[in-house]
Amino acid sequence: QKEVEQNSGPLSVPEGAIASLNCTYSDRGSQSFFWYRQYSGKSPELIMFIYSNGDKEDGRFTAQLNKASQYVSLLIRDSQPSDSATYLCAVKPGGYNKLIFGAGTRLAVHP
Amino acid sequence: DAGVIQSPRHEVTEMGQEVTLRCKPISGHDYLFWYRQTMMRGLELLIYFNNNVPIDDSGMPEDRFSAKMPNASFSTLKIQPSEPRDSAVYFCASRYGTKETQYFGPGTRLLVL
Repeated sequence: QKEVEQNSGPLSVPEGAIASLNCTYSDRGSQSFFWYRQYSGKSPELIMFIYSNGDKEDGRFTAQLNKASQYVSLLIRDSQPSDSATYLCAVKPGGYNKLIFGAGTRLAVHP
Repeated sequence: DAGVIQSPRHEVTEMGQEVTLRCKPISGHDYLFWYRQTMMRGLELLIYFNNNVPIDDSGMPEDRFSAKMPNASFSTLKIQPSEPRDSAVYFCASRYGTKETQYFGPGTRLLVL
């Protein structure tokens, strides 16, 4: 079992819709959870991170965390074609200063 | 401010040759991470340093890989001898203290023929 699992996609949504990206992790001791965006041929960039159960909102992005279910998600409201990218979920295991990345979900927003 | 700088941006070499990748972290950042990204394995952490000291090298695939950080502004990742399966994009990232954000460099695209 991979430590961080994501559906590879592609996830295709129409412009203006809500895109929902999901991630599960295996280490129950994980403390911090991250969403990175990576455009084709570019490096990953941090969108947001979350520590606590519940929702965290930042503009059009909302991260949701459920530690009991070992599940973290990213919602993108009012999706734009410029949101088309690969979204990487990353987890910081408890007691470590490193990140474990999922394989990423490719999102395609079509006009 | 300059971001993380990596060189070269592209490297094509033949199997058996030595490859050296270079990274300059953001000034003041005390953590430096080396990652490798492939289609098959995704983004994998190879090694990370804190204050120039290697902390965790459990991701280094084998003895052919080595990394050094002689000072706070420079790190190298060396592959000797290189093999075709080493072909990947290698990213360097840096971070400051307890801040959560890792800043990635543009990557080095390595092709071993």
